Amino acid sequence: KQEVTQIPAALSVPEGENLVLNCSFTDSAIYNLQWFRQDPGKGLTSLLLIQSSQREQTSGRLNASLDKSSGRSTLYIAASQPGDSATYLCAVPYSGAGSYQLTFGKGTKLSVIP
Amino acid sequence: KAGVTQTPRYLIKTRGQQVTLSCSPISGHRSVSWYQQTPGQGLQFLFEYFSETQRNKGNFPGRFSGRQFSNSRSEMNVSTLELGDSALYLCASMDGVNLNTEAFFGQGTRLTVV
Repeated sequence: KQEVTQIPAALSVPEGENLVLNCSFTDSAIYNLQWFRQDPGKGLTSLLLIQSSQREQTSGRLNASLDKSSGRSTLYIAASQPGDSATYLCAVPYSGAGSYQLTFGKGTKLSVIP
Repeated sequence: KAGVTQTPRYLIKTRGQQVTLSCSPISGHRSVSWYQQTPGQGLQFLFEYFSETQRNKGNFPGRFSGRQFSNSRSEMNVSTLELGDSALYLCASMDGVNLNTEAFFGQGTRLTVV
């Protein structure tokens, strides 16, 4: 059974700092890994999808890396802004018998202090 | 293109009642998955529908059910509501044919059971 862990559970940084969020998973046989952002009481916004064959994926100030062999992914946020404050979740898909479901970590709650 | 639409956004129900939530996926997507999010358990998979068929079901009691219509819109139903059913219910829209693609989520329905 796939398990996904995100450390730390919460992180507070001053504005302008670069930061790294961590995600680890137990079963390295994954298709991809997806990073999401969630604002309080809202749905999930997809940030990046990184395929199993990729090492990195970039979107603006965000960079996600994937190391399947070690079961790890990191989300790097450059020059953090107060608007980046949210909970960040990583998820990996399980596909059995043609179905599809995501297994999520518990998330990292990020606070960027002006 | 239009995103994933969930209705209603908020619901307050009394214990013992039943409730129906709706999800309209992105145009062209044939897979709809449902997740329950609570502070204690995080995001948990409920079920996935593809082309009007349930392909997979999570570990939830039979009070939780769903269906999908020919236009890919999906509904989930919870009968005999319990206080513990209070949660944010999220649906995800996917292509469904190519499993190695991005999942897009709606804004969620916040259900409060009193």
